[in-house]
Formats: sequence, structure tokens, C-alpha cells
Amino acid sequence: QQQVKQSPQSLIVQKGGISIINCAYENTAFDYFPWYQQFPGKGPALLIAIRPDVSEKKEGRFTISFNKSAKQFSLHIMDSQPGDSATYFCAASMMGAQKLVFGQGTRLTINP
Amino acid sequence: AAGVIQSPRHLIKEKRETATLKCYPIPRHDTVYWYQQGPGQDPQFLISFYEKMQSDKGSIPDRFSAQQFSDYHSELNMSSLELGDSALYFCASSPPLGPQFFGPGTRLTVL
Repeated sequence: QQQVKQSPQSLIVQKGGISIINCAYENTAFDYFPWYQQFPGKGPALLIAIRPDVSEKKEGRFTISFNKSAKQFSLHIMDSQPGDSATYFCAASMMGAQKLVFGQGTRLTINP
Repeated sequence: AAGVIQSPRHLIKEKRETATLKCYPIPRHDTVYWYQQGPGQDPQFLISFYEKMQSDKGSIPDRFSAQQFSDYHSELNMSSLELGDSALYFCASSPPLGPQFFGPGTRLTVL
């Protein structure tokens, strides 16, 4: 049973466009929600993370939107670039436990 | 900045053999995690250590064991390897209550 559900599985966006990836979770004990970027054959790299006491966090071109009541969060990549083409994973964890539960991943392709 | 170091980067084993994967966490990080990622799948948590003690356990087969040593490096020991064990194995480390940083992974191929 996937505790964190991620969509879409794949996404194609034109250069300069906005990429949006969505995640939903069931376990209300989760209180830390990071996003990771992974290139083929490489380790996941932390992009940005949010805790449920804020509804939005922005770092450069990356923004997380968080809806606690809906148990959903999303990643927005503004001005998407070909170098952003990678697989993106959302994840969740509980304070203290800290093991990450990942979504299924989204393969993002930015067309030049 | 120092990153998580994993060795070896690639490993090829025969069925029923044993493999040992090593992880060197970022200095001053007190927690180490192991994850397994199959082809086209998300990483799955295996086991973690906090200050050299096992802190959590996930879907880790009984054929696998792990430990963290006094210098904080960790080893994942895998015995009686099966074809299905072929995967990328990631180690991650985190500072106290901080985010996890992943290493480059070890690609294990079981023939």
C-alpha cells in the first residue's frame, strides 16, 4: 500500500513553462515533506522541504504548496529548463522516526 | 562540502553469494539510513542507525544485516543473494533532526 501517492507518472513541459507535480498522503502523523530530484544512476538530491505549519515555501524557481486539510502537497518548477529533466520524488516522514516514505516518482522532461 | 560516500559503486555477484556495501556519512551526522531502489521504482527504506544503535527497521529481508561502527561508517551485509536483490542501494545521513542527504549509491547486479 503506497502511503504517499504521486502524480503524474510522467510529464512533458516546454522550456520556460511551469512544471507541477502533486502528492497526497494518508497518515496525519507525517510532519515533514521533502522533494528529491534524481538523475539516472545517481542518488536522490534534496530540492526543497516543508513542514505543515506553513502553506507555501519558495526557493529560487522551486515552490512547495501545502494543503494540510486536504493532505496534499505539490511542487511547482517555474521557468522550467532542459536541465530540470529528471525524476522527482515527493516523500514524507514523522518527526522522530525520520525514515522517508516516497511517492512513486514523476519523470519530468523539459523540451527545448 | 563533504558528501555521503558509498563503496563500491558497482558490484556484480552470483546467486547465493554474499555482498558487503559500505557507507561513510557526512561528518557530524548522527543518523544513517539504507534504502533499496529497484528499476523504475521509488527508494524503499531498509534500516537506520542513530548513534551506532539500530533506530528503525523497514522491509529488510532476514538475509540482510547492517551495523554502524564507532567511526560512524555503516555496512550492509547481504547473504544468499537472489536475482531480485539486483537494485541500487543508497545510504543517506542526517544531522540531528535534519534532512537526509543521499550518497551516490551502489549498483548491485546478481547473476
